[in-house]
Amino acid sequence: KQEVTQIPAALSVPEGENLVLNCSFTDSAIYNLQWFRQDPGKGLTSLLLIQSSQREQTSGRLNASLDKSSGRSTLYIAASQPGDSATYLCAVVNRDDKIIFGKGTRLHILP
Amino acid sequence: NAGVMQNPRHLVRRRGQEARLRCSPMKGHSHVYWYRQLPEEGLKFMVYLQKENIIDESGMPKERFSAEFPKEGPSILRIQQVVRGDSAAYFCASSPRPLSTVPYEQYFGPGTRLTVT
Repeated sequence: KQEVTQIPAALSVPEGENLVLNCSFTDSAIYNLQWFRQDPGKGLTSLLLIQSSQREQTSGRLNASLDKSSGRSTLYIAASQPGDSATYLCAVVNRDDKIIFGKGTRLHILP
Repeated sequence: NAGVMQNPRHLVRRRGQEARLRCSPMKGHSHVYWYRQLPEEGLKFMVYLQKENIIDESGMPKERFSAEFPKEGPSILRIQQVVRGDSAAYFCASSPRPLSTVPYEQYFGPGTRLTVT
């Protein structure tokens, strides 16, 4: 049974710092991995999608990596800004068409 | 092409009442997925439907919950005799094809926040 774990559960950093969010999954037979952003009381915004054959994806200040063999992904945020404060969710799509989500990392960027 | 629509956005029910949550997928999408997000938790898969058929309901509680996706109209998630523990955000997502086929596409709705008093 696929399980997705995100560490840390919460993180506070001063504005301008670079930071890394971690995601691990127990079953490497995934179709892809996504990182989402969720603002309080809101829906999901897809940030980056990494296919199982890819190693990383980049969008602006965000870079996500995928190491399928070790069951790990990281989301790197460069030069953090207060507007980056949100919950970041990692999710994998299994071969059975299910998406399994982690519990998320609550990020707070201090002005 | 409007995105995935869910209504109502907020729903308050008293214990014992019924809750009906609606999801209108994007145009041309025949695959619908429902997820539940309890407070301080990630989203948990509930059910996967493809027009008139339930493909996978392994995440649905065995009692009081049901889902349908009729030939015409939105997908409905129905919760009978709600209890306080049902209070959560319920998200719907749609896709034009199974998630494990190329190219991957899935779009999430804004969610319905159910509060049971």
